[in-house]
This record gives sequence, C-alpha cells and structure tokens, in this order.
Amino acid sequence: AQTIHQWPVAEIKAVGSPLSLGCTIKGKSSPNLYWYWQATGGTLQQLFYSITVGQVESVVQLNLSASRPKDDQFILSTEKLLLSHSGFYLCAWSLRDWGSSYEQYFGPGTRLTVL
Amino acid sequence: QEKVQQSPESLIVPEGAMSSLNCTFSNSASQSIWWYQQHPGKGPEALISIFSNGNKKEGRLTVYLNRASLHVSLHIRDSQPSDSAVYLCAVSSNTNKVVFGTGTRLQVLP
Repeated sequence: AQTIHQWPVAEIKAVGSPLSLGCTIKGKSSPNLYWYWQATGGTLQQLFYSITVGQVESVVQLNLSASRPKDDQFILSTEKLLLSHSGFYLCAWSLRDWGSSYEQYFGPGTRLTVL
Repeated sequence: QEKVQQSPESLIVPEGAMSSLNCTFSNSASQSIWWYQQHPGKGPEALISIFSNGNKKEGRLTVYLNRASLHVSLHIRDSQPSDSAVYLCAVSSNTNKVVFGTGTRLQVLP
C-alpha cells in the first residue's frame, strides 16, 4: 500500500526566516508529485508539479520554490517567509503520465503560521 | 486560466435527504472533473470522477456533467451526518495542472 508522509506537522515561523517542508511517498515508484497551498478558509491552489526527479514546474508564483531530489521526495522551500505564506500546505501524488482518469492522493498536510 | 466556481457555499440538510452540489468551469476542453471530500485539518480524498457528458453513479453518489453548459453536479442520496465535510470540485486539462473550486460546506443534521 502507498503511504504519503509530510513533515513537519506544523510550524510557527517568523517573517523573513527560511522554510523547508518535505513530502515522502512510499510504495509507488515514479509518481507525479504536487504541492498545494490552502489559506485558512480559502481555495486549494496548486503551486508546483513534478513528473520526474530533478524536474519541477511552477504553476503559481508565491515566492516559493520546489525541488525533487529523489523519486519519492518533494521539497518546498523559501529563503524568506512572508505573512501571506501562512496556511495549509498539502503534498499529493498521482500515477505517472497523469491523464483524465487518475486521481490525486493527498498527504496529511503541514500547518504553517508566519508571525 | 481555468476558473471553477461552486455553489452553494454552504448547505444544511437533514439526515436521509438528498444533497445537491454544483460546479461550473470555464474551459469546455477540460478533460476531467473530480469531486473530493475534505474534513477539517485533513487532506482531500477523491470521491468520484467524470469525463464524458452524462451521468455516473457510485453507491450513494451520482455525478452529472454537461459540457455545453460547463456544469457538473454531485448528488448524495440518503445523506448521513458522517457526510458532513467540505466538497471540492477539481478540473484539469490534459496537462498536470489542476484547478480546484471554492468548495461547498455540507452539514447533515441528525
């Protein structure tokens, strides 16, 4: 069975500090990987997707970056946090060559509070 | 940029009733529409999908798609208190980009 793990579960950070969020998928090789952000009470917004190691596409510019250093790992980071970065960050995977029939499987999320 | 709107924003129904949720999208070439359920503080979980015009039924769920009117609806028969959650409509093209709707908060009263 596939499992998706996100770390940390929650973070409280100061404005201007760096951030690194991680996501690991076990039990599925070569998945497509995604990062989403959801402001409190807001719409789920896709940030990045990756179809293979080392290749990441940006969907929305929020002064964040993403990397895929391993097949099963996806990292979201920034060097300087803004207040607007607060929210709920979700990692998801789907089968490779995602087409119209493949659903996305979401992780448990990381709650980020920027003060 | 695909736009996805959901209505109503909030829906309260008694246990055993039919819950009807709506979603409109802007791109008729959109490939697939998925409905997800999200409980507070959790990641969304996929419920049902549809790709072709018409309807699809799975258990208590029925989804209708009309590409001409850019409209998709989800109907939950015999709604249960455990169905209380936020329901998200997700629309994608044949790329890896997915646009989620604003969500409908469903509350089923016992």
